[in-house]
Amino acid sequence: NAGVTQTPKFQVLKTGQSMTLQCAQDMNHNSMYWYRQDPGMGLRLIYYSASEGTTDKGEVPNGYNVSRLNKREFSLRLESAAPSQTSVYFCASSSQGRNQPQHFGDGTRLSIL
Amino acid sequence: GDSVTQMEGPVTLSEEAFLTINCTYTATGYPSLFWYVQYPGEGLQLLLKATKADDKGSNKGFEATYRKETTSFHLEKGSVQVSDSAVYFCALTEGYKLSFGAGTTVTVRA
Repeated sequence: NAGVTQTPKFQVLKTGQSMTLQCAQDMNHNSMYWYRQDPGMGLRLIYYSASEGTTDKGEVPNGYNVSRLNKREFSLRLESAAPSQTSVYFCASSSQGRNQPQHFGDGTRLSIL
Repeated sequence: GDSVTQMEGPVTLSEEAFLTINCTYTATGYPSLFWYVQYPGEGLQLLLKATKADDKGSNKGFEATYRKETTSFHLEKGSVQVSDSAVYFCALTEGYKLSFGAGTTVTVRA
């Protein structure tokens, strides 16, 4: 019962370094998402992929890129990390169709110094 | 656009007390509504859902009813336990994107 798996769980970067966060799901879901969680702000959508081969910007895409590698995997890349990107990042997935609930990974805690 | 407003916390209760967390929403169409729970150091877990007006979602003693007339989806539990201490998020979706409230931290004391 792995569900949504995120790696790494923790990471510390220096300003300007690059990093790719990995996400894989084993539920045969079509849609995948990346969120960031900051204190008092709930979760904000960075990018999403409604289906394999498509990606779209969410609420806060600046400074990030994504790749939907295949149906299972959806990665998030920080090309030049900034302290403002210190956050907890969550990947999620959902089955095909509108208005489906999303299933979340345990998060990656990223600190940028 | 779509938005969710939920009761600010933190909320501190004694064991066996009644819990209510208010949630109201703004949406243009017919969203599905959710409550998620986040335990310390973990990701979000779906607690319950409702997909249309007057639906009641329930799970683990928690309940919420989709009220279109008041655009609300308040979470309730009749008798909380220490293990219910967590952050609770109200959310809605119209399509693929989830819109979340800011979260309400609940602490239950023995």
